Amino acid sequence: AQSVTQPDIHITVSEGASLELRCNYSYGATPYLFWYVQSPGQGLQLLLKYFSGDTLVQGIKGFEAEFKRSQSSFNLRKPSVHWSDAAEYFCAVVLASGGSYIPTFGRGTSLIVHP
Amino acid sequence: DTGVSQNPRHKITKRGQNVTFRCDPISEHNRLYWYRQTLGQGPEFLTYFQNEAQLEKSRLLSDRFSAERPKGSFSTLEIQRTEQGDSAMYLCASRQLAGVVTGELFFGEGSRLTVL
Repeated sequence: AQSVTQPDIHITVSEGASLELRCNYSYGATPYLFWYVQSPGQGLQLLLKYFSGDTLVQGIKGFEAEFKRSQSSFNLRKPSVHWSDAAEYFCAVVLASGGSYIPTFGRGTSLIVHP
Repeated sequence: DTGVSQNPRHKITKRGQNVTFRCDPISEHNRLYWYRQTLGQGPEFLTYFQNEAQLEKSRLLSDRFSAERPKGSFSTLEIQRTEQGDSAMYLCASRQLAGVVTGELFFGEGSRLTVL
């Protein structure tokens, strides 16, 4: 069955520390890959996306993600976390086929930032 | 570009009542999606439209749920005979098919439903 897994429900980091959030997918082909962020009371905002080409993609707010086909992963990274990064992060995948385009989301990882 | 707008932002209702949520997508976006998000979970797909055509509705949670987009612009999601398990955030998103296609969905801030 097709699925998106975010194995970490919560991650706690200190401000200024590096961050990596994990995302794995289970699809027969390489899907389109996305990371979204959701702050309390806000809608989901796109951080970055991967369709094809360079497997290291840069996004907004200093985030980047690396697509690794062999590991079916698309992990999100940031070298130095700011207190304002505390939010919920969602990985999403789309396997576009036959005109259908329905993003499937992981359960999310809640990022807690300590001063 | 005024973004995706959802109304109401919060709705409290009693079990058994009907509720309707409205979504106004970004004006040039052809596709409109509805998702449900419960506490501690990611968005769960419900249904989507291309213009006025509903392309997928098999994942609506029960026959109490229905959605429409009559003129290909705004959309409504109706829940009939609400149950406490319907309490959740209902998210709307839209996507552009013409011009510069970025592939991403643009989300509204959601409509939170509480069923007492």
